[in-house]
Amino acid sequence: GIQVEQSPPDLILQEGANSTLRCNFSDSVNNLQWFHQNPWGQLINLFYIPSGTKQNGRLSATTVATERYSLLYISSSQTTDSGVYFCAVERTTDSWGKLQFGAGTQVVVTP
Amino acid sequence: NAGVTQTPKFQVLKTGQSMTLQCAQDMNHNSMYWYRQDPGMGLRLIYYSASEGTTDKGEVPNGYNVSRLNKREFSLRLESAAPSQTSVYFCASSATETQYFGPGTRLLVL
Repeated sequence: GIQVEQSPPDLILQEGANSTLRCNFSDSVNNLQWFHQNPWGQLINLFYIPSGTKQNGRLSATTVATERYSLLYISSSQTTDSGVYFCAVERTTDSWGKLQFGAGTQVVVTP
Repeated sequence: NAGVTQTPKFQVLKTGQSMTLQCAQDMNHNSMYWYRQDPGMGLRLIYYSASEGTTDKGEVPNGYNVSRLNKREFSLRLESAAPSQTSVYFCASSATETQYFGPGTRLLVL
């Protein structure tokens, strides 16, 4: 199957700092999503971004499909940004909706 | 509009017992999914249903069965629970590419 690697595995930030999370994948994809899992376990979809750049408030994401990576940017981090960020992809050759998740990046934002 | 709901929130089973995890969505989505999440890992797809009346295996289907009861409901059944099935189970639904997740069910198999 497709390999999805996220880096770094852990990140500690001071409130107000900026950061970049990376997702590398091993095959061509037609679906890439970023999720945030808060400390209570709830998973929230942040972006659907198989290619290009999107922004939503302090978060933005860029996917370069030809080079098989995606980046998630967090600017002016807040304590509510803490949690685990997952990248999930669906191979172009796979059936609809078969997302493969990376292991995640654990982010802790300190006051 | 409750989104995706799951019951129960937490369950303890003994090895060999059976149980059904329930999932319902009120967003009129065609597709529904069951995932499991183990400590330190991302989610892994167990089964999915692209539309009412269809189900397909995901990455880790062994030991599980599913039923797409109607468009709203998608249940996951463990016929004979094993300690390796201790995990957090998430249900999700989608109309297009974006998947929306329920709050999860924590299952402990002793």
